[in-house]
Amino acid sequence: DGGITQSPKYLFRKEGQNVTLSCEQNLNHDAMYWYRQDPGQGLRLIYYSQIVNDFQKGDIAEGYSVSREKKESFPLTVTSAQKNPTAFYLCASSIDPRRGTEAFFGQGTRLTVV
Amino acid sequence: QQQVKQSPQSLIVQKGGIPIINCAYENTAFDYFPWYQQFPGKGPALLIAIRPDVSEKKEGRFTISFNKSAKQFSLHIMDSQPGDSATYFCAAQGRGSTLGRLYFGRGTQLTVWP
Repeated sequence: DGGITQSPKYLFRKEGQNVTLSCEQNLNHDAMYWYRQDPGQGLRLIYYSQIVNDFQKGDIAEGYSVSREKKESFPLTVTSAQKNPTAFYLCASSIDPRRGTEAFFGQGTRLTVV
Repeated sequence: QQQVKQSPQSLIVQKGGIPIINCAYENTAFDYFPWYQQFPGKGPALLIAIRPDVSEKKEGRFTISFNKSAKQFSLHIMDSQPGDSATYFCAAQGRGSTLGRLYFGRGTQLTVWP
C-alpha cells in the first residue's frame, strides 16, 4: 500500500531530551512537510522540503531540526530548545511542490513531555 | 499573520442540515484552495479542492463556493450526517513566495446530531 508512515504513534519525552520523529513515504513524492497541531491553532508549518538535500523553515522552526538525505524520508528532531513540545505532529507529502496538488498526511505522532 | 482566516471555530447542526464554513484570504498569489477533513487522532485527508477559474465545485454532498473578487471561499455540506462530524480545514497554496507551501485555516469542529 502506498502512503505515509509516521512512527511512533505516541512518544514521551523527558525535559531536556532530544527526540526524533520518523516519516517515510513510498509515494515517490518530491515535497515533504512537517506540521504541528495544537487545539484551536490549526496546522502550523515547521519545516518543508521540496527536493532531496534541501529544506526550508516554516513558521515555527525554532527548536526543531530536519534532514532530507533520501527522497522517501524526512525525520524531525524536537530538540531541548523547543520550550513547549507537547503537541500532535503531522507529516505530509505532495507530488509537485511547484503547483497546487493534494497533500497526503500520515496518521500523526502525539508527543508528550513528562 | 494568519494567511487564511476560517470561521466559525465550531458548528453544531442537526442531521440533514447544511453547515457552511467560510474562509478568507488576502494573498492574490494563491491559486489552489483545498478543504481537508480530519477525524480525531487521524491525519487530515483531502475532501475537495478548487482553483479560482471556477466559482463552484461539487463532489457528492460537498460543495465549494469561490468568490475571487471578495477573496473568500466556503464549504457547504448538503444533507449532513453524524458521520460528517469532524474538523474541517480550509487551505491555500500558490505562486511566488507561497510556492510549495499550504497555508491552513485554524479549523472548524463540526458536530452533526442525529
